[in-house]
Amino acid sequence: AQKVTQAQTEISVVEKEDVTLDCVYETRDTTYYLFWYKQPPSGELVFLIRRNSFDEQNEISGRYSWNFQKSTSSFNFTITASQVVDSAVYFCALSVPGGGADGLTFGKGTHLIIQP
Amino acid sequence: GAVVSQHPSWVICKSGTSVKIECRSLDFQATTMFWYRQFPKQSLMLMATSNEGSKATYEQGVEKDKFLINHASLTLSTLTVTSAHPEDSSFYICSTRNGRVAKNIQYFGAGTRLSVL
Repeated sequence: AQKVTQAQTEISVVEKEDVTLDCVYETRDTTYYLFWYKQPPSGELVFLIRRNSFDEQNEISGRYSWNFQKSTSSFNFTITASQVVDSAVYFCALSVPGGGADGLTFGKGTHLIIQP
Repeated sequence: GAVVSQHPSWVICKSGTSVKIECRSLDFQATTMFWYRQFPKQSLMLMATSNEGSKATYEQGVEKDKFLINHASLTLSTLTVTSAHPEDSSFYICSTRNGRVAKNIQYFGAGTRLSVL
């Protein structure tokens, strides 16, 4: 069974501050995928990034960056120079491919509040 | 633009009635779709995997007779909540994935907020 833990329930920062959202995962499989999704108040989940278990390279996309460390089973997400529009619930998720039964296991989410 | 269309976005029904939610894959054919449920301020929980042309695979604890899934075409999956009760009130979200292009990335619909009175 897989498990994703997002220990931070809610984070509140002032605009322009950097903020890191933590994600720790558990799986016995050696092949797996990790994801981050953003859920704004409207409810729709927006895909941000996918990382497979064999690629530990960190990734940067604009103000977003991700730090994947297999040694600590973590896949943390950093927003640099946060903006009010970044306010949302962010979910970390895990899937194990194979047989079509590869639904996502989500963490409980981190509610990020960016104050102006 | 949207990859997945989910309808309706919001529904209120009386206890005991059935509600059908549609999930359409707009940009690609989806042999597999997924249905999730999200209670207020909680995470998304996978309910079932919908497979085109075959029976859905339900997660443990999800009643297949209560949550009927039909995936009759490569672009449409439906979830019917039968004999809905107040405890079924939740946010239901579907997702699809394009196995040919970006494997394992699931694209989500906008969700359906169900309120059972």
